[in-house]
Parts: sequence; structure tokens; C-alpha cells
Amino acid sequence: NAGVTQTPKFRILKIGQSMTLQCAQDMNHNYMYWYRQDPGMGLKLIYYSVGAGITDKGEVPNGYNVSRSTTEDFPLRLELAAPSQTSVYFCASSYSSSTGELFFGEGSRLTVL
Amino acid sequence: GDSVTQMEGPVTLSEEAFLTINCTYTATGYPSLFWYVQYPGEGLQLLLKATKADDKGSNKGFEATYRKETTSFHLEKGSVQVSDSAVYFCALHSGGSNYKLTFGKGTLLTVNP
Repeated sequence: NAGVTQTPKFRILKIGQSMTLQCAQDMNHNYMYWYRQDPGMGLKLIYYSVGAGITDKGEVPNGYNVSRSTTEDFPLRLELAAPSQTSVYFCASSYSSSTGELFFGEGSRLTVL
Repeated sequence: GDSVTQMEGPVTLSEEAFLTINCTYTATGYPSLFWYVQYPGEGLQLLLKATKADDKGSNKGFEATYRKETTSFHLEKGSVQVSDSAVYFCALHSGGSNYKLTFGKGTLLTVNP
């Protein structure tokens, strides 16, 4: 019962460094999402994917990139990290785009200093 | 655009107290409404949902009724437990091929023994 697995759980980056947050799901869901959660601000959608090879921007895509080479994996890449990217990142998946029922990973806490 | 407004926290209650967390929304069309819960150190989990007006979603003793006339989806529980301490998010999904789930800012609930 792995569900959605994210790594790493915690990471500290220096300004200008790059890194990739990994996300994998074992539920054979076509739809996958990356959200960021900032204190008191709810969740904002960064990128989403409707299937392998297909990705699109969400509300706050600047400074991030994604790829979706397989159904299972949806990594999020941060290029040239900035303090404004300090946040908790959640990966999620769903079996349908029309239900709003998402399955979330446990989150990755990123600090940029 | 779509938006969700939920009562600001934090909310602190004693065990067995009655809980209400208010949620109102703005949306075009006929959205589905959700409550997600985030326990400490974990990702979000779907708590309950309602897909049309007057529907009542329920789970784990929590209830919420979809009120189209007041555009509300308030979360209630008759007797809270310490284990209910968490952050609660109200969310809406406009349906169709809209991939975006719009979240409220979250309400932190702490239940004391």
C-alpha cells in the first residue's frame, strides 16, 4: 500500500543550486500534480500531468520544470533555487480529472538559504 | 474565478466539544465540494465530499452539507477527540476537464484532553 511516495522528505539548498523532487505512485493513475503549501496560504498548483509525455502549467509554474516519462513517475525540478521557493511540496495523483479526489504524498520540506 | 473561504484558525477545543468549521465558496457552474484533512507530518487525505446541492458528505463522525443557496459547505462534528487535531482544508472542483482543485487556506484544529 505505498500510494504516492515522495523523496526527499527534507532538504536545505543554497541560493542558485538546483535539485529534483521525486514522486512515484503505484496506483496506475494517469493524473499527477505538484502543489506547494505555504503557511496560511493553502495549496497552489505548480504543474500537472494527464498522462505519460503530457504536462502543463498550473497557477505558479515559474522556477520549476517537470517531466513525465512513465505513468508512475513525476519529478519536479527546481532550477536556480531562490528563497521564495522555500515551501512544503506535495505530489498527488488521481484516477480521474473530473472528480477532485486526490491522493497525496507525505510532502517534501524545502528550505532555500 | 473559483475561490474558497474558510474560517481562520486556530481553533482550540476540549475533548467531546462540538466542532464547526465554516466554508463558503464562489464558483461558476455546479462544483463538487470536499473536505481534506492533514494530520501532523502527513499529506492531505480526503475526509468527505458532496457532488450536488443538498448532498451530505460524512466520514469518521464528520459531516458537511452542500448548501447551494448559501454557497456553503460547513464541516461539523458532534464530539471531537484528541486524535482529530489536524489542519482541515475545504476545496472545490468545477468538474469537467478542469484539472484544478481550489483549496481554502486551511484551519488548524487542536483538541485538548
